[in-house]
Amino acid sequence: EPEVTQTPSHQVTQMGQEVILRCVPISNHLYFYWYRQILGQKVEFLVSFYNNEISEKSEIFDDQFSVERPDGSNFTLKIRSTKLEDSAMYFCASSEGGYGTGTSLYGYTFGSGTRLTVV
Amino acid sequence: AQKVTQAQTEISVVEKEDVTLDCVYETRDTTYYLFWYKQPPSGELVFLIRRNSFDEQNEISGRYSWNFQKSTSSFNFTITASQVVDSAVYFCATNTDKLIFGTGTRLQVFP
Repeated sequence: EPEVTQTPSHQVTQMGQEVILRCVPISNHLYFYWYRQILGQKVEFLVSFYNNEISEKSEIFDDQFSVERPDGSNFTLKIRSTKLEDSAMYFCASSEGGYGTGTSLYGYTFGSGTRLTVV
Repeated sequence: AQKVTQAQTEISVVEKEDVTLDCVYETRDTTYYLFWYKQPPSGELVFLIRRNSFDEQNEISGRYSWNFQKSTSSFNFTITASQVVDSAVYFCATNTDKLIFGTGTRLQVFP
């Protein structure tokens, strides 16, 4: 079964630094997502991306966040000037079609996550 | 707007007990999917099931079963004969254009 790959699995950064979280979605998937999970809390939607542009973003996704698909295979989340409260697990996901449609049983395929710790 | 409510924050059972995790959803859409995910202590999200809103048949997969009741907007998950390895946080989710998760239920199964 194809996988969504996220790197690194764990990143520690100093407050105020910029971080880039990387994801390689499944190759025939067209829709990409980032989710955030603060420790012990729910998984929250950050942003969805289709056709090289943001299709929807949540209130959490403010100006310090940006996403990019730089080379047709990677999908990145950049956090400028990290804050302590950005410490969380960040999940990348992809889907074949919008609304989780497509031939995949899963609808959405999630990566294993990047645990970001801001110190 | 979509919303998923998992009223049970934490459930503790002894091994071999049956346990049901509740999920109530809200959506204004007529077509949607419902999902359950397991999150073990290692942190990844493990897909358990996806159910189309038009398919109200209950599903059984081994010790797992799901009861979808459109009339009450519920999609409950039952684990039969629970095992220690079932200890995890379980998330119910629904989608239209994006996936929205409930707050999760932490299940602890004691030997």
